[in-house]
Amino acid sequence: EDQVTQSPEALRLQEGESSSLNCSYTVSGLRGLFWYRQDPGKGPEFLFTLYSAGEEKEKERLKATLTKKESFLHITAPKPEDSATYLCAVPSYSGGGADGLTFGKGTHLIIQP
Amino acid sequence: SQTIHQWPATLVQPVGSPLSLECTVEGTSNPNLYWYRQAAGRGLQLLFYSVGIGQISSEVPQNLSASRPQDRQFILSSKKLLLSDSGFYLCAWSVGGLTEAFFGQGTRLTVV
Repeated sequence: EDQVTQSPEALRLQEGESSSLNCSYTVSGLRGLFWYRQDPGKGPEFLFTLYSAGEEKEKERLKATLTKKESFLHITAPKPEDSATYLCAVPSYSGGGADGLTFGKGTHLIIQP
Repeated sequence: SQTIHQWPATLVQPVGSPLSLECTVEGTSNPNLYWYRQAAGRGLQLLFYSVGIGQISSEVPQNLSASRPQDRQFILSSKKLLLSDSGFYLCAWSVGGLTEAFFGQGTRLTVV
């Protein structure tokens, strides 16, 4: 069974203080890894897709990286508006077709001004 | 561009009452459609997915059912709600099974 574990569960940073969020996964064969941002009371917003080890994607202050066992979401000089829960997910694959995504529980990030 | 609509945004229902949540997607054809539930401390749990009209797969046994009467319409239903059905329900779509999914804004269901 595919498993996705995110750490830390919660992270509080000062504005401008860079850090990284971790997503480790156990899958039978990696077919992609996805990062999402979720604001309170809203649906998850897609950020990045990573398909192979060594791949990197960037968007504003966020950079996602992927190794064979884990992914990192690096946040550089964050601003209060970066406060959100960040989720990572992998495709669930039964052999007969992909069956949705398996999500981690997320990292709740708070950026204090 | 593609958009996904999900309604209502919030719903308070008594135990034993029926449920119908609707989701529609615009701007794409033959999407994969999904229903997830998000409970505090448990993350997102896949409930149902559909790869085409009338094709529904269930991930976990539960008090809920899903239907896909049209290509871009996905409905989540229950005949009799339980307290344990309370949660945040999310509809999502994807182009294929191994690509990123895009989510609606969710329905907060409270069963009282």
